[in-house]
Amino acid sequence: QVQLVQSGAEVKKPGASVKVSCKASGYTFTSNTIHWVRQAPGQRLEWMGWINAGTGNTIYSQKFQGRVTIARDTSASTAYMELSSLGSEDTAVYYCARDLAYWGQGTLVTVSS
Amino acid sequence: QSALTQPASVSGSPGQSITISCTGTSSDVGGHNRVSWYQQNPGKAPKLMIYDVSKRPSGVSNRFSGSKSGNTASLTISGLQAEDEADYYCNSYTSSATWVFGGGTKVTVL
Repeated sequence: QVQLVQSGAEVKKPGASVKVSCKASGYTFTSNTIHWVRQAPGQRLEWMGWINAGTGNTIYSQKFQGRVTIARDTSASTAYMELSSLGSEDTAVYYCARDLAYWGQGTLVTVSS
Repeated sequence: QSALTQPASVSGSPGQSITISCTGTSSDVGGHNRVSWYQQNPGKAPKLMIYDVSKRPSGVSNRFSGSKSGNTASLTISGLQAEDEADYYCNSYTSSATWVFGGGTKVTVL
């Protein structure tokens, strides 16, 4: 069965960067896309970007352009999302999702001084 | 890209039907048949309920149905049950090859 397992919670200081991983199993990793979606406390889902796991091509939301990098390691069937220049407004649960159909468990990123 | 517009809350009694709307533009909802709906319970990851406007993934109750007219998509829950109480989000592909979510709708079963 399709499974996406994300890395653990992170606490970062303002201005720092965070990198979240998403390990896929149960399917051919390079046959699908991986999306990253975040949800601030009590707020709506917010789409950040996606990667074609086969080609490595990426597209980002305009809101995060220049601050987010999505990548993948096909040998490890793992996707990554790195967000830089963190501010308190980036405190959120970050999800990866295969084709926006199968979701990881979420990773809480807390930005606090 | 602005969020798609959903009502903040919808409520209904057990057994009733409710409909949640999701309004976008011709660049997203109106221009593509790639509208999805998600159910989210507190502290949990979203669950896909409808994709491609009206298709149901395996295992999703047929009480959930989706449709679209112009720039507005809709999710209908028939025979409302207590377990349907949750937040619901719509999502659409856009002409920029990006995706956009709605603001979310809280469904309350009275």
